[in-house]
Amino acid sequence: DAGITQSPRYKITETGRQVTLMCHQTWSHSYMFWYRQDLGHGLRLIYYSAAADITDKGEVPDGYVVSRSKTENFPLTLESATRSQTSVYFCASSDGGSTNYGYTFGSGTRLTVV
Amino acid sequence: GIQVEQSPPDLILQEGANSTLRCNFSDSVNNLQWFHQNPWGQLINLFYIPSGTKQNGRLSATTVATERYSLLYISSSQTTDSGVYFCAVSGGSEKLVFGKGTKLTVNP
Repeated sequence: DAGITQSPRYKITETGRQVTLMCHQTWSHSYMFWYRQDLGHGLRLIYYSAAADITDKGEVPDGYVVSRSKTENFPLTLESATRSQTSVYFCASSDGGSTNYGYTFGSGTRLTVV
Repeated sequence: GIQVEQSPPDLILQEGANSTLRCNFSDSVNNLQWFHQNPWGQLINLFYIPSGTKQNGRLSATTVATERYSLLYISSSQTTDSGVYFCAVSGGSEKLVFGKGTKLTVNP
Protein backbone atom coordinates (compact mmCIF):
# COMPACT_ATOMS: atom_id res chain seq x y z
CA ASP A 1 0.00 0.00 0.00
CA ALA A 2 1.21 3.47 -0.82
CA GLY A 3 1.67 5.97 1.95
CA ILE A 4 2.87 5.88 5.51
CA THR A 5 1.74 3.13 7.83
CA GLN A 6 2.17 2.63 11.55
CA SER A 7 1.81 -0.55 13.51
CA PRO A 8 0.33 -1.56 15.79
CA ARG A 9 -2.65 0.81 15.99
CA TYR A 10 -3.19 -0.02 19.66
CA LYS A 11 -0.81 -1.49 22.22
CA ILE A 12 -1.05 -2.21 25.92
CA THR A 13 2.18 -3.09 27.68
CA GLU A 14 3.45 -3.41 31.21
CA THR A 15 5.85 -1.10 32.99
CA GLY A 16 9.44 -2.12 32.37
CA ARG A 17 8.83 -3.99 29.12
CA GLN A 18 10.49 -3.10 25.85
CA VAL A 19 8.14 -2.18 23.04
CA THR A 20 8.77 -1.19 19.43
CA LEU A 21 6.48 0.92 17.30
CA MET A 22 6.87 0.52 13.56
CA CYS A 23 6.69 3.13 10.82
CA HIS A 24 6.96 2.42 7.10
CA GLN A 25 6.71 4.84 4.16
CA THR A 26 6.64 4.09 0.46
CA TRP A 27 7.60 7.47 -1.02
CA SER A 28 11.37 7.29 -0.35
CA HIS A 29 11.08 10.53 1.62
CA SER A 30 14.40 11.48 3.12
CA TYR A 31 13.00 12.80 6.41
CA MET A 32 11.07 10.85 9.01
CA PHE A 33 9.84 11.93 12.43
CA TRP A 34 8.32 10.58 15.62
CA TYR A 35 5.96 12.77 17.65
CA ARG A 36 3.93 12.07 20.74
CA GLN A 37 0.61 13.74 21.43
CA ASP A 38 -0.60 14.33 24.97
CA LEU A 39 -3.44 16.42 26.35
CA GLY A 40 -2.11 19.79 27.39
CA HIS A 41 1.18 19.38 25.52
CA GLY A 42 0.13 19.07 21.93
CA LEU A 43 2.55 17.35 19.56
CA ARG A 44 6.15 17.08 20.68
CA LEU A 45 9.06 15.78 18.62
CA ILE A 46 10.82 12.71 20.01
CA TYR A 47 13.37 11.89 17.29
CA TYR A 48 13.86 12.58 13.64
CA SER A 49 15.97 11.29 10.79
CA ALA A 50 17.27 13.19 7.77
CA ALA A 51 18.35 10.05 5.88
CA ALA A 52 19.24 6.41 6.42
CA ASP A 53 21.71 6.06 9.31
CA ILE A 54 21.24 9.72 10.33
CA THR A 55 19.11 10.36 13.39
CA ASP A 56 18.89 13.14 15.95
CA LYS A 57 17.06 14.00 19.13
CA GLY A 58 13.99 16.13 19.32
CA GLU A 59 12.37 17.82 22.29
CA VAL A 60 11.55 14.73 24.40
CA PRO A 61 13.99 11.88 23.53
CA ASP A 62 14.60 10.37 26.99
CA GLY A 63 13.57 6.73 27.25
CA TYR A 64 13.35 6.22 23.49
CA VAL A 65 15.68 4.74 20.89
CA VAL A 66 15.42 4.94 17.10
CA SER A 67 17.21 3.44 14.15
CA ARG A 68 17.03 3.89 10.41
CA SER A 69 18.90 1.25 8.51
CA LYS A 70 16.60 1.58 5.48
CA THR A 71 15.07 4.77 4.08
CA GLU A 72 11.53 3.42 4.31
CA ASN A 73 11.53 2.27 7.95
CA PHE A 74 11.89 4.24 11.16
CA PRO A 75 11.10 2.14 14.24
CA LEU A 76 10.75 3.71 17.69
CA THR A 77 11.69 1.60 20.72
CA LEU A 78 10.79 2.23 24.30
CA GLU A 79 13.58 0.46 26.13
CA SER A 80 11.79 0.13 29.48
CA ALA A 81 8.27 1.47 29.27
CA THR A 82 6.97 3.81 31.97
CA ARG A 83 3.44 5.04 32.64
CA SER A 84 4.48 8.54 31.57
CA GLN A 85 5.03 7.13 28.08
CA THR A 86 1.33 6.38 27.73
CA SER A 87 0.46 8.52 24.73
CA VAL A 88 -0.52 8.58 21.09
CA TYR A 89 2.53 8.28 18.85
CA PHE A 90 2.61 9.67 15.33
CA CYS A 91 5.15 8.99 12.65
CA ALA A 92 5.56 11.44 9.76
CA SER A 93 7.66 11.78 6.65
CA SER A 94 8.60 14.62 4.33
CA ASP A 95 10.72 15.22 1.27
CA GLY A 96 12.51 18.16 2.84
CA GLY A 97 10.59 20.79 0.93
CA SER A 98 11.53 19.70 -2.58
CA THR A 99 7.86 19.51 -3.61
CA ASN A 100 6.53 22.11 -1.15
CA TYR A 101 4.00 19.66 0.18
CA GLY A 102 5.16 19.17 3.73
CA TYR A 103 4.61 16.44 6.27
CA THR A 104 2.45 13.38 5.85
CA PHE A 105 1.43 11.64 9.07
CA GLY A 106 0.64 8.04 9.79
CA SER A 107 -2.58 7.08 11.56
CA GLY A 108 -0.95 6.89 14.96
CA THR A 109 -0.33 4.25 17.62
CA ARG A 110 -2.18 4.52 20.90
CA LEU A 111 0.12 3.12 23.57
CA THR A 112 -1.00 2.38 27.11
CA VAL A 113 1.57 1.43 29.74
CA VAL A 114 0.03 -0.23 32.79
CA GLY B 1 13.45 27.83 20.30
CA ILE B 2 10.56 29.12 18.26
CA GLN B 3 7.30 29.65 20.11
CA VAL B 4 3.96 29.13 18.35
CA GLU B 5 0.70 30.55 19.64
CA GLN B 6 -2.67 29.78 18.13
CA SER B 7 -5.93 31.59 18.70
CA PRO B 8 -8.66 31.14 19.58
CA PRO B 9 -8.20 27.91 21.54
CA ASP B 10 -11.83 26.95 20.99
CA LEU B 11 -14.34 27.98 18.37
CA ILE B 12 -17.97 26.96 17.96
CA LEU B 13 -19.80 27.75 14.72
CA GLN B 14 -23.07 27.07 13.03
CA GLU B 15 -22.88 25.31 9.69
CA GLY B 16 -22.40 27.83 6.90
CA ALA B 17 -20.47 30.37 8.97
CA ASN B 18 -16.99 31.64 8.12
CA SER B 19 -14.03 31.65 10.48
CA THR B 20 -10.43 32.82 10.79
CA LEU B 21 -7.80 30.99 12.81
CA ARG B 22 -4.57 32.73 13.73
CA CYS B 23 -1.02 31.49 14.27
CA ASN B 24 1.67 33.76 15.71
CA PHE B 25 5.31 32.71 15.84
CA SER B 26 8.24 34.20 17.64
CA ASP B 27 11.05 34.05 15.07
CA SER B 28 11.76 33.89 11.35
CA VAL B 29 10.55 30.70 9.71
CA ASN B 30 11.29 28.92 6.47
CA ASN B 31 8.58 26.31 6.89
CA LEU B 32 4.99 26.74 8.04
CA GLN B 33 2.27 24.14 7.73
CA TRP B 34 -1.37 23.89 8.72
CA PHE B 35 -2.90 20.57 9.72
CA HIS B 36 -6.38 19.35 10.53
CA GLN B 37 -6.81 16.58 13.09
CA ASN B 38 -10.22 15.01 12.57
CA PRO B 39 -12.32 13.55 15.40
CA TRP B 40 -10.81 10.11 14.67
CA GLY B 41 -7.32 11.42 15.31
CA GLN B 42 -5.96 11.50 11.77
CA LEU B 43 -3.65 14.43 10.99
CA ILE B 44 -4.11 15.84 7.49
CA ASN B 45 -1.78 18.36 5.91
CA LEU B 46 -3.81 21.34 4.66
CA PHE B 47 -1.17 23.81 3.52
CA TYR B 48 2.56 24.22 3.22
CA ILE B 49 2.77 28.00 3.34
CA PRO B 50 5.96 29.68 4.61
CA SER B 51 4.84 32.87 2.86
CA GLY B 52 2.11 34.16 0.59
CA THR B 53 -1.43 32.96 0.06
CA LYS B 54 -2.88 29.63 -1.02
CA GLN B 55 -6.40 28.39 -1.55
CA ASN B 56 -7.87 24.92 -1.63
CA GLY B 57 -11.64 24.86 -2.05
CA ARG B 58 -13.31 26.48 0.97
CA LEU B 59 -9.99 26.79 2.81
CA SER B 60 -7.34 29.40 2.28
CA ALA B 61 -4.25 30.45 4.17
CA THR B 62 -2.07 33.53 4.27
CA THR B 63 1.33 33.86 5.88
CA VAL B 64 2.91 37.26 6.47
CA ALA B 65 6.40 36.15 7.35
CA THR B 66 7.73 39.66 8.03
CA GLU B 67 5.05 40.15 10.71
CA ARG B 68 5.31 36.57 12.01
CA TYR B 69 1.77 35.37 11.65
CA SER B 70 -0.37 33.12 9.53
CA LEU B 71 -4.14 32.96 9.08
CA LEU B 72 -6.32 30.04 8.09
CA TYR B 73 -9.72 30.94 6.62
CA ILE B 74 -12.60 28.50 6.53
CA SER B 75 -15.60 29.60 4.52
CA SER B 76 -19.10 28.11 4.53
CA SER B 77 -18.13 25.71 7.30
CA GLN B 78 -19.47 22.16 7.34
CA THR B 79 -19.77 19.67 10.18
CA THR B 80 -16.92 17.70 8.62
CA ASP B 81 -14.63 20.68 9.31
CA SER B 82 -14.83 19.92 13.03
CA GLY B 83 -11.62 18.89 14.73
CA VAL B 84 -8.41 20.53 15.83
CA TYR B 85 -6.38 22.78 13.55
CA PHE B 86 -2.66 22.95 14.15
CA CYS B 87 -0.09 25.40 12.92
CA ALA B 88 3.51 24.18 12.86
CA VAL B 89 6.70 26.04 12.01
CA SER B 90 10.44 25.59 11.72
CA GLY B 91 13.21 28.11 11.38
CA GLY B 92 15.95 26.44 9.41
CA SER B 93 15.47 22.73 9.73
CA GLU B 94 12.81 20.19 8.87
CA LYS B 95 11.82 19.85 12.55
CA LEU B 96 8.39 21.36 13.01
CA VAL B 97 7.28 22.94 16.29
CA PHE B 98 3.53 22.69 16.78
CA GLY B 99 1.15 25.12 18.37
CA LYS B 100 -1.45 23.90 20.87
CA GLY B 101 -4.17 24.02 18.24
CA THR B 102 -7.63 25.52 17.75
CA LYS B 103 -10.52 23.17 18.48
CA LEU B 104 -13.32 23.84 16.00
CA THR B 105 -16.85 22.55 16.49
CA VAL B 106 -19.33 23.07 13.67
CA ASN B 107 -22.92 22.45 14.66
CA PRO B 108 -25.61 21.49 12.11
